[in-house]
Amino acid sequence: DAKTTQPPSMDCAEGRAANLPCNHSTISGNEYVYWYRQIHSQGPQYIIHGLKNNETNEMASLIITEDRKSSTLILPHATLRDTAVYYCIVRVGPGSGGYQKVTFGTGTKLQVIP
Amino acid sequence: DAGITQSPRHKVTETGTPVTLRCHQTENHRYMYWYRQDPGHGLRLIHYSYGVKDTDKGEVSDGYSVSRSKTEDFLLTLESATSSQTSVYFCAIREQGEQFFGPGTRLTVL
Repeated sequence: DAKTTQPPSMDCAEGRAANLPCNHSTISGNEYVYWYRQIHSQGPQYIIHGLKNNETNEMASLIITEDRKSSTLILPHATLRDTAVYYCIVRVGPGSGGYQKVTFGTGTKLQVIP
Repeated sequence: DAGITQSPRHKVTETGTPVTLRCHQTENHRYMYWYRQDPGHGLRLIHYSYGVKDTDKGEVSDGYSVSRSKTEDFLLTLESATSSQTSVYFCAIREQGEQFFGPGTRLTVL
């Protein structure tokens, strides 16, 4: 699996956009970028994923660079409830068969400040 | 929450005792996973299953065994618990390519 690198922590003012970066320079052509988050004492929660195009859903936007070596998760209007650890991982995509070994790193601890 | 429950949610046990954690899902998912989460290590895969009686090791499988005798249940067993196995354990299923996680079990081995 490709490894990812994320900053250990970030702060963001409530109501502002939170931009969380992730480096994945060894990503393979068939690997997707996935983002999860984990609010304290809960299980990780799926946020969004993408292959090479930018993606948006009701929770966030995902911007992937053209060379696919890095990406940014954007929470457009951060709220206090977005305070969590955010994990960026790379793995084969939803259409693939077989086992998907998934390794989570230590993530980015996002603190949303009132 | 993809119908995933874990039991027990909290357990304190002593070194050398056997411990079994249960993951139960209600939606007939084929793939199930056990992870442990420790400070500074993120989530690490212990074992996974790709069907009834079909299991394989993850990256930190030493000291753990699993069983899946029916689709809905994936059991994680610590044959002889050690203090290094104090952790939070998460079960996950795979649905349409995404992983969904259970609420976790906090295990303390004294």
